[in-house]
Amino acid sequence: DGGITQSPKYLFRKEGQNVTLSCEQNLNHDAMYWYRQDPGQGLRLIYYSQIVNDFQKGDIAEGYSVSREKKESFPLTVTSAQKNPTAFYLCASSIKVSTGPYNEQFFGPGTRLTVL
Amino acid sequence: RKEVEQDPGPFNVPEGATVAFNCTYSNSASQSFFWYRQDCRKEPKLLMSVYSSGNEDGRFTAQLNRASQYISLLIRDSKLSDSATYLCASPRPPGAGSYQLTFGKGTKLSVIP
Repeated sequence: DGGITQSPKYLFRKEGQNVTLSCEQNLNHDAMYWYRQDPGQGLRLIYYSQIVNDFQKGDIAEGYSVSREKKESFPLTVTSAQKNPTAFYLCASSIKVSTGPYNEQFFGPGTRLTVL
Repeated sequence: RKEVEQDPGPFNVPEGATVAFNCTYSNSASQSFFWYRQDCRKEPKLLMSVYSSGNEDGRFTAQLNRASQYISLLIRDSKLSDSATYLCASPRPPGAGSYQLTFGKGTKLSVIP
């Protein structure tokens, strides 16, 4: 089955701890994205990556870090510097990197992070 | 104008009704638009893509009005299973990583028996 997987589904973290959220895709997509969703806030872009070993900050990158060592994988680390980390985190990928009419993004099932 | 704006709703409609949502966008150069469906506590799932004037898929029709810069989603013969939040998305303006999408906050639909 082709798709995007995220793990874990639920994650609990104590204040001051770093945690890493996994995102893997076997769609052979070039671009990958991390979003955060809070109630009433919509989707906010944290980081994105166009190709392996390259990534860019999105709108709310502070307190987060990423890596893109493989095309299939784009893990997100939520650091202790992130002030309000409790949220629903969504990973997405898309096939086309360049501008053009085909920008559909496909989402993984998400990770719900709660800070205790 | 915000990049993408939607009426948050909720839209409460009886089964069998026709309902329409609008989504306004600010990037006049956008060539493609997308409607996603998001169920409670789940990920958004692509519902329809719009590349020209519109698109139709069964009970769902998406239309694009470039002059007024909005896209609409029409759902005919609403089913209980259509209850969800509907997100629209548009590419960001040139120079801002235009392969990225900006998402609206979503319109909540509740179909009532």
